[in-house]
Amino acid sequence: EPEVTQTPSHQVTQMGQEVILRCVPISNHLYFYWYRQILGQKVEFLVSFYNNEISEKSEIFDDQFSVERPDGSNFTLKIRSTKLEDSAMYFCASSEKGGYGYTFGSGTRLTVV
Amino acid sequence: TQLLEQSPQFLSIQEGENLTVYCNSSSVFSSLQWYRQEPGEGPVLLVTVVTGGEVKKLKRLTFQFGDARKDSSLHITAAQPGDTGLYLCAGVNTGNQFYFGTGTSLTVIP
Repeated sequence: EPEVTQTPSHQVTQMGQEVILRCVPISNHLYFYWYRQILGQKVEFLVSFYNNEISEKSEIFDDQFSVERPDGSNFTLKIRSTKLEDSAMYFCASSEKGGYGYTFGSGTRLTVV
Repeated sequence: TQLLEQSPQFLSIQEGENLTVYCNSSSVFSSLQWYRQEPGEGPVLLVTVVTGGEVKKLKRLTFQFGDARKDSSLHITAAQPGDTGLYLCAGVNTGNQFYFGTGTSLTVIP
Protein backbone atom coordinates (compact mmCIF):
# COMPACT_ATOMS: atom_id res chain seq x y z
CA GLU A 1 0.00 0.00 0.00
CA PRO A 2 1.33 3.46 -0.89
CA GLU A 3 2.85 5.36 2.02
CA VAL A 4 3.83 8.87 2.92
CA THR A 5 7.44 8.79 4.06
CA GLN A 6 8.94 11.26 6.49
CA THR A 7 12.56 11.80 7.44
CA PRO A 8 14.13 12.02 9.89
CA SER A 9 12.00 10.19 12.42
CA HIS A 10 13.55 12.18 15.25
CA GLN A 11 15.53 15.41 15.19
CA VAL A 12 17.10 17.26 18.09
CA THR A 13 18.16 20.83 17.45
CA GLN A 14 19.35 23.80 19.43
CA MET A 15 17.09 26.78 19.85
CA GLY A 16 17.65 29.28 17.07
CA GLN A 17 18.81 26.72 14.55
CA GLU A 18 17.11 26.04 11.25
CA VAL A 19 15.56 22.65 10.60
CA ILE A 20 14.17 21.07 7.47
CA LEU A 21 11.67 18.26 7.76
CA ARG A 22 11.27 16.11 4.71
CA CYS A 23 8.33 14.25 3.28
CA VAL A 24 7.74 12.12 0.23
CA PRO A 25 3.99 12.13 -0.49
CA ILE A 26 2.18 9.41 -2.42
CA SER A 27 3.15 9.80 -6.04
CA ASN A 28 -0.25 10.46 -7.63
CA HIS A 29 -1.47 12.77 -4.85
CA LEU A 30 -1.84 16.44 -5.61
CA TYR A 31 -2.57 17.96 -2.21
CA PHE A 32 0.03 18.14 0.54
CA TYR A 33 -0.22 19.15 4.16
CA TRP A 34 1.77 19.66 7.31
CA TYR A 35 0.33 19.20 10.78
CA ARG A 36 1.87 19.22 14.18
CA GLN A 37 0.98 17.63 17.48
CA ILE A 38 2.49 18.87 20.70
CA LEU A 39 2.82 16.04 23.20
CA GLY A 40 -0.56 15.26 24.73
CA GLN A 41 -2.40 17.80 22.63
CA LYS A 42 -4.53 17.69 19.55
CA VAL A 43 -3.32 17.57 15.97
CA GLU A 44 -3.06 21.11 14.59
CA PHE A 45 -3.18 22.17 10.98
CA LEU A 46 -0.20 24.15 9.73
CA VAL A 47 -0.43 24.47 5.97
CA SER A 48 -1.83 22.98 2.79
CA PHE A 49 -0.13 23.07 -0.57
CA TYR A 50 -1.53 22.55 -4.03
CA ASN A 51 -0.35 23.35 -7.51
CA ASN A 52 3.04 24.55 -6.21
CA GLU A 53 1.65 27.11 -3.84
CA ILE A 54 0.22 27.43 -0.37
CA SER A 55 -3.56 27.15 -0.46
CA GLU A 56 -4.30 27.52 3.27
CA LYS A 57 -2.27 28.21 6.36
CA SER A 58 -3.07 28.51 10.03
CA GLU A 59 -2.01 31.26 12.40
CA ILE A 60 0.67 28.91 13.71
CA PHE A 61 2.36 29.02 10.30
CA ASP A 62 4.10 32.36 10.73
CA ASP A 63 7.12 33.83 8.97
CA GLN A 64 9.41 31.31 10.66
CA PHE A 65 7.83 28.53 8.63
CA SER A 66 8.07 27.82 4.94
CA VAL A 67 7.24 24.92 2.66
CA GLU A 68 8.72 23.87 -0.61
CA ARG A 69 8.32 21.19 -3.21
CA PRO A 70 11.85 21.29 -4.59
CA ASP A 71 11.34 18.46 -7.05
CA GLY A 72 8.62 16.09 -8.19
CA SER A 73 8.72 13.93 -5.10
CA ASN A 74 9.76 15.83 -1.97
CA PHE A 75 7.75 18.22 0.16
CA THR A 76 9.65 20.03 2.89
CA LEU A 77 8.84 22.11 5.93
CA LYS A 78 11.50 24.55 7.07
CA ILE A 79 11.58 26.27 10.42
CA ARG A 80 14.07 29.11 10.22
CA SER A 81 14.87 29.80 13.86
CA THR A 82 13.48 27.14 16.13
CA LYS A 83 11.96 27.93 19.50
CA LEU A 84 11.44 25.64 22.45
CA GLU A 85 7.71 25.65 21.78
CA ASP A 86 8.28 24.24 18.30
CA SER A 87 9.00 20.86 19.93
CA ALA A 88 6.31 18.54 18.63
CA MET A 89 5.53 15.69 16.27
CA TYR A 90 5.25 17.02 12.74
CA PHE A 91 3.10 15.04 10.35
CA CYS A 92 3.05 15.30 6.61
CA ALA A 93 -0.05 14.17 4.74
CA SER A 94 -1.16 13.95 1.15
CA SER A 95 -4.42 13.35 -0.63
CA GLU A 96 -5.55 12.71 -4.16
CA LYS A 97 -8.49 15.07 -3.78
CA GLY A 98 -8.66 17.89 -1.26
CA GLY A 99 -10.79 17.08 1.77
CA TYR A 100 -11.42 13.42 1.00
CA GLY A 101 -9.19 11.53 3.35
CA TYR A 102 -5.56 12.06 3.92
CA THR A 103 -2.71 9.62 4.18
CA PHE A 104 -0.38 10.62 6.97
CA GLY A 105 3.27 9.86 7.40
CA SER A 106 4.65 8.45 10.63
CA GLY A 107 5.87 11.85 11.70
CA THR A 108 9.09 13.55 12.70
CA ARG A 109 9.59 14.15 16.38
CA LEU A 110 11.31 17.53 16.69
CA THR A 111 12.95 18.34 20.01
CA VAL A 112 14.29 21.84 20.47
CA VAL A 113 16.75 22.21 23.36
CA THR B 1 -12.53 28.22 18.75
CA GLN B 2 -12.82 24.42 18.75
CA LEU B 3 -15.03 23.44 15.87
CA LEU B 4 -15.18 19.69 16.46
CA GLU B 5 -15.79 18.43 19.97
CA GLN B 6 -15.46 14.75 20.68
CA SER B 7 -16.93 12.87 23.60
CA PRO B 8 -15.96 11.17 25.69
CA GLN B 9 -12.38 12.39 25.90
CA PHE B 10 -11.22 9.18 27.58
CA LEU B 11 -12.85 5.78 27.55
CA SER B 12 -11.70 2.59 29.24
CA ILE B 13 -13.76 -0.53 28.68
CA GLN B 14 -13.51 -4.29 28.98
CA GLU B 15 -12.93 -6.48 25.95
CA GLY B 16 -16.23 -7.47 24.37
CA GLU B 17 -18.14 -4.35 25.33
CA ASN B 18 -19.69 -1.94 22.85
CA LEU B 19 -18.95 1.76 22.73
CA THR B 20 -19.89 4.91 20.88
CA VAL B 21 -17.75 7.99 20.30
CA TYR B 22 -19.37 11.25 19.29
CA CYS B 23 -18.08 14.13 17.21
CA ASN B 24 -20.14 17.31 17.34
CA SER B 25 -19.98 20.73 15.82
CA SER B 26 -22.12 23.78 15.25
CA SER B 27 -20.69 24.04 11.74
CA VAL B 28 -21.71 22.17 8.62
CA PHE B 29 -19.06 19.97 7.07
CA SER B 30 -18.89 18.91 3.44
CA SER B 31 -17.10 15.74 4.47
CA LEU B 32 -16.05 14.14 7.69
CA GLN B 33 -13.35 11.60 8.35
CA TRP B 34 -12.41 9.32 11.21
CA TYR B 35 -8.80 8.47 11.97
CA ARG B 36 -7.10 6.21 14.49
CA GLN B 37 -3.74 7.19 15.87
CA GLU B 38 -1.35 5.06 17.88
CA PRO B 39 1.38 6.58 20.07
CA GLY B 40 4.28 7.92 18.03
CA GLU B 41 2.51 7.29 14.74
CA GLY B 42 0.56 9.41 12.30
CA PRO B 43 -3.24 9.24 12.11
CA VAL B 44 -4.55 6.46 9.87
CA LEU B 45 -7.69 7.12 7.89
CA LEU B 46 -10.58 4.79 8.73
CA VAL B 47 -13.44 6.25 6.73
CA THR B 48 -14.76 9.32 4.94
CA VAL B 49 -18.45 10.19 4.98
CA VAL B 50 -19.87 12.86 2.71
CA THR B 51 -23.67 12.53 2.63
CA GLY B 52 -25.96 13.56 5.47
CA GLY B 53 -27.38 10.45 7.14
CA GLU B 54 -24.73 8.22 5.58
CA VAL B 55 -23.78 5.06 7.46
CA LYS B 56 -20.61 3.14 6.70
CA LYS B 57 -19.45 -0.11 8.24
CA LEU B 58 -15.89 -1.31 8.55
CA LYS B 59 -15.97 -4.74 10.20
CA ARG B 60 -16.97 -4.04 13.81
CA LEU B 61 -16.91 -0.26 13.33
CA THR B 62 -20.00 1.67 12.25
CA PHE B 63 -19.75 5.31 11.27
CA GLN B 64 -22.68 7.65 10.88
CA PHE B 65 -22.81 11.18 9.52
CA GLY B 66 -25.62 13.29 10.94
CA ASP B 67 -28.48 14.35 8.69
CA ALA B 68 -27.45 18.00 9.00
CA ARG B 69 -23.78 17.13 8.44
CA LYS B 70 -22.79 18.74 11.74
CA ASP B 71 -22.04 15.62 13.73
CA SER B 72 -20.89 12.06 13.47
CA SER B 73 -20.59 8.96 15.58
CA LEU B 74 -18.34 5.94 15.66
CA HIS B 75 -19.73 2.75 17.20
CA ILE B 76 -17.49 -0.21 17.94
CA THR B 77 -19.09 -3.57 18.61
CA ALA B 78 -17.36 -6.15 20.80
CA ALA B 79 -14.24 -4.07 21.36
CA GLN B 80 -10.89 -5.81 21.30
CA PRO B 81 -7.53 -4.77 22.79
CA GLY B 82 -6.33 -4.05 19.27
CA ASP B 83 -8.90 -1.26 19.07
CA THR B 84 -6.96 0.70 21.67
CA GLY B 85 -5.85 4.06 20.36
CA LEU B 86 -6.71 7.69 19.85
CA TYR B 87 -9.74 8.20 17.63
CA LEU B 88 -9.93 11.49 15.81
CA CYS B 89 -12.74 12.88 13.76
CA ALA B 90 -11.80 15.48 11.17
CA GLY B 91 -13.90 17.59 8.94
CA VAL B 92 -13.74 19.82 5.92
CA ASN B 93 -16.15 22.71 6.27
CA THR B 94 -17.90 24.56 3.51
CA GLY B 95 -14.99 27.01 3.43
CA ASN B 96 -12.69 24.10 2.51
CA GLN B 97 -10.86 24.30 5.83
CA PHE B 98 -9.81 21.09 7.54
CA TYR B 99 -10.05 20.57 11.29
CA PHE B 100 -9.28 17.72 13.63
CA GLY B 101 -11.52 16.99 16.57
CA THR B 102 -10.36 16.98 20.17
CA GLY B 103 -9.83 13.21 20.15
CA THR B 104 -11.07 10.24 22.16
CA SER B 105 -8.50 8.02 23.82
CA LEU B 106 -9.82 4.46 23.96
CA THR B 107 -8.35 1.72 26.10
CA VAL B 108 -9.72 -1.81 25.77
CA ILE B 109 -8.76 -3.99 28.71
CA PRO B 110 -8.29 -7.71 27.98
